[in-house]
Amino acid sequence: ILNVEQSPQSLHVQEGDSTNFTCSFPSSNFYALHWYRWETAKSPEALFVMTLNGDEKKKGRISATLNTKEGYSYLYIKGSQPEDSATYLCAFLYNFNKFYFGSGTKLNVKP
Amino acid sequence: DAGVIQSPRHEVTEMGQEVTLRCKPISGHNSLFWYRQTMMRGLELLIYFNNNVPIDDSGMPEDRFSAKMPNASFSTLKIQPSEPRDSAVYFCASRGQEYNSPLHFGNGTRLTVT
Repeated sequence: ILNVEQSPQSLHVQEGDSTNFTCSFPSSNFYALHWYRWETAKSPEALFVMTLNGDEKKKGRISATLNTKEGYSYLYIKGSQPEDSATYLCAFLYNFNKFYFGSGTKLNVKP
Repeated sequence: DAGVIQSPRHEVTEMGQEVTLRCKPISGHNSLFWYRQTMMRGLELLIYFNNNVPIDDSGMPEDRFSAKMPNASFSTLKIQPSEPRDSAVYFCASRGQEYNSPLHFGNGTRLTVT
């Protein structure tokens, strides 16, 4: 079993704050790193699939970076909005279909 | 594209009964995954199929659980007999064969075993 750790476990911010969280994963046998957004009572939805060291992805106010050599990825949210409240999951892809999920960072954005 | 379709959305059953969860993956996706979400363990992989063949079932809790994928558009997860500790949300996900293809999750089946 590979260890994928996310921090912090939970985060409470005010509307308009920018925030970031971390996903740590093994630096060997890297295949890809996925980020998912999971709203309460819904199913996880893919945000980013990152495959190359140094990758940076952006979708609106959300962006992510990847460092495969040291085994971490950051997810940034600029100007958080209440609708950003969700659990953000990262998943380390060990081989083509073997995903190891972190336990998630639960974000709560207060209006 | 209707997405991954799971049924039923909710299932309440009594201990000892057989439960069958169903999943229709996205057309063209050749990998299918069954996950279980619990408070204690988060999202855990039960089994996945590639081209309808079970590849890794190491996450299946015990012999009471079985999964099949008779064709590319249908999979079942069966629990027989069910126990209260099986209560959880069960997600099915599918994925295309491109290396950068993400997982597409269904809406899940909330199972309650009393």
